[in-house]
Amino acid sequence: GAVVSQHPSRVICKSGTSVKIECRSLDFQATTMFWYRQFPKQSLMLMATSNEGSKATYEQGVEKDKFLINHASLTLSTLTVTSAHPEDSSFYICSAGQATNEKLFFGSGTQLSVL
Amino acid sequence: QQQVKQSPQSLIVQKGGISIINCAYENTAFDYFPWYQQFPGKGPALLIAIRPDVSEKKEGRFTISFNKSAKQFSLHIMDSQPGDSATYFCAASINTDKLIFGTGTRLQVFP
Repeated sequence: GAVVSQHPSRVICKSGTSVKIECRSLDFQATTMFWYRQFPKQSLMLMATSNEGSKATYEQGVEKDKFLINHASLTLSTLTVTSAHPEDSSFYICSAGQATNEKLFFGSGTQLSVL
Repeated sequence: QQQVKQSPQSLIVQKGGISIINCAYENTAFDYFPWYQQFPGKGPALLIAIRPDVSEKKEGRFTISFNKSAKQFSLHIMDSQPGDSATYFCAASINTDKLIFGTGTRLQVFP
């Protein structure tokens, strides 16, 4: 199946710093990319949907100025957590899709720990 | 109406047994129902999916049963193995719209 690469897999940062997470579709062009957040033993919560070349659509309650999403090309989307705080510590997962949801693939996730 | 309710929250099955996880939805516009498997520290991986025009789909040991009138669908894992121990999520979506995930079921298969 298609591969979605997410990097880094784990990051530890100090409070107040910014962290960038990359999501790449390696063997297909992703028209849409999704960013999720997952707390331990909980379900995936959709944060935002991004389409190449346009602004991301954020879910209700997600601060767009804190979680900056850039979908600069059909194979790359980035999530930047700005001025990170301990409460931002979580597992962040991206997914990339093509025309239908049958062609939606997930990255391996990024564990963010903010000290 | 956008919720997908999943049960049980956790499930313990002996090796060789059948694992059954259930999901229910309200929005009749949903037309795509996938199941994902997630191991600790990893992203979800698509296991099997179904559309509402069929009542059952089987792939190897994994079967989805779909009941359109009851607005329910379930995942059956036959001959469950310790390697199947993971968290399973059902989901639903309308066409290419965002996936709505269930709350997850933690499956443990003991030898």
